[in-house]
Amino acid sequence: SQTIHQWPATLVQPVGSPLSLECTVEGTSNPNLYWYRQAAGRGLQLLFYSVGIGQISSEVPQNLSASRPQDRQFILSSKKLLLSDSGFYLCAWGKEGGTEAFFGQGTRLTVV
Amino acid sequence: QKEVEQNSGPLSVPEGAIASLNCTYSDRGSQSFFWYRQYSGKSPELIMSIYSNGDKEDGRFTAQLNKASQYVSLLIRDSQPSDSATYLCAVDNYGQNFVFGPGTRLSVLP
Repeated sequence: SQTIHQWPATLVQPVGSPLSLECTVEGTSNPNLYWYRQAAGRGLQLLFYSVGIGQISSEVPQNLSASRPQDRQFILSSKKLLLSDSGFYLCAWGKEGGTEAFFGQGTRLTVV
Repeated sequence: QKEVEQNSGPLSVPEGAIASLNCTYSDRGSQSFFWYRQYSGKSPELIMSIYSNGDKEDGRFTAQLNKASQYVSLLIRDSQPSDSATYLCAVDNYGQNFVFGPGTRLSVLP
């Protein structure tokens, strides 16, 4: 069966510090991968998605970036965090063709 | 930009009643529709997917799709306090990613 791992679960970072969140998927190959962000009390905002290694599509221009160095690894990064980057970051995977998405446990990021 | 709309709630129903959650979407070309349940502080969990007009039943859950009206709903029969959560409606975006609605908060009262 497929599983998705996302870490860390919680993170407190100072303004201006870098960020690296990692997500890995097991039990499937060539998944579509997604990063979403959820601000407190809000819906899910798509940040990045990837349909293959090295292929990244950005939905929201901001100080975040994403990379997919391996088929089942998706990384979200920032060089300098802003207060507005606080939120609940969710990695998800889906089968090729876009049917259904399954979420990791999420990372709650607080920028102070 | 595709839009998915939901009533934010909260929707309160007594235990044992039917909870009805509604969602509308903007793009007539959308093909796949999903309902997720999200407990407070947790990640969303897929509970139903529907691709064709009509009803799809899974246990106490029934998803209803009407593409002509661009409307999808979720019915929860015999609602339990454990069903209290936020329910997110999602629509596929040309098979590449998903657009989510803001969610409806459901409260089932014992």
